[in-house]
Amino acid sequence: EIVMTQSPATLSVSPGESATLSCRASQSINTNVAWYQQKPGQAPSLIIYGASSRASGIPARFSGSGSGTEFSLTISSLQSEDFAVYYCLQVITWPYTFGQGTKLEIK
Amino acid sequence: QVQLVQSGAEVKKPGAPVKISCKTSGYTFTRHYMNWVRQAPGQGPEWMGVIDPSGGRTKYAQKFQGSITMTSDSSTSTFYLELSGLSAEDTAIYFCARRKDGSNYFDYWGQGTLVTVSS
Repeated sequence: EIVMTQSPATLSVSPGESATLSCRASQSINTNVAWYQQKPGQAPSLIIYGASSRASGIPARFSGSGSGTEFSLTISSLQSEDFAVYYCLQVITWPYTFGQGTKLEIK
Repeated sequence: QVQLVQSGAEVKKPGAPVKISCKTSGYTFTRHYMNWVRQAPGQGPEWMGVIDPSGGRTKYAQKFQGSITMTSDSSTSTFYLELSGLSAEDTAIYFCARRKDGSNYFDYWGQGTLVTVSS
């Protein structure tokens, strides 16, 4: 099973600033990674897929990068609605596995 | 528009089974596989398995082999997840999540079904 490790567990950032979240895979997954945003009481929502492609309706301030085992999600000019928990997910092989999440909180 | 509407919350005793539904609309039912994902309180999501609605073929995570059954009904555009032999560790929110066209990513999710296992 591929283990996805996210860091940091919690990230405190002020609105208007940028945030970079990291995700590391235990083996190479090429670019078969997605990022999801989850707000309290809601299902996860697709933000980025294929490591760097924005999902439909996602604003340009969200960007993803990486390949192989190291990936990152950058959110520039943070808005109030961006503060949530973010998960990475690998879909190159079964079982698909999620990271444990990064909570992005308001500083 | 695409919608995945899940059945309501369940409270079950240890050892009992439960069957959750995920009714879909707004797209061609047989074109998209459906995944099931669970999320225990305060934890990250966990993938359980996937079903191909065009033939009923399934793939389960090894952890859940023997304890879950995924099915689909094209006449009602509904997917089902049945869990048997529930234990307290199965207390979680269960989500259905549609596979995105041409990829393995999950693009649309149901609202989730809370299953509580308690004696």
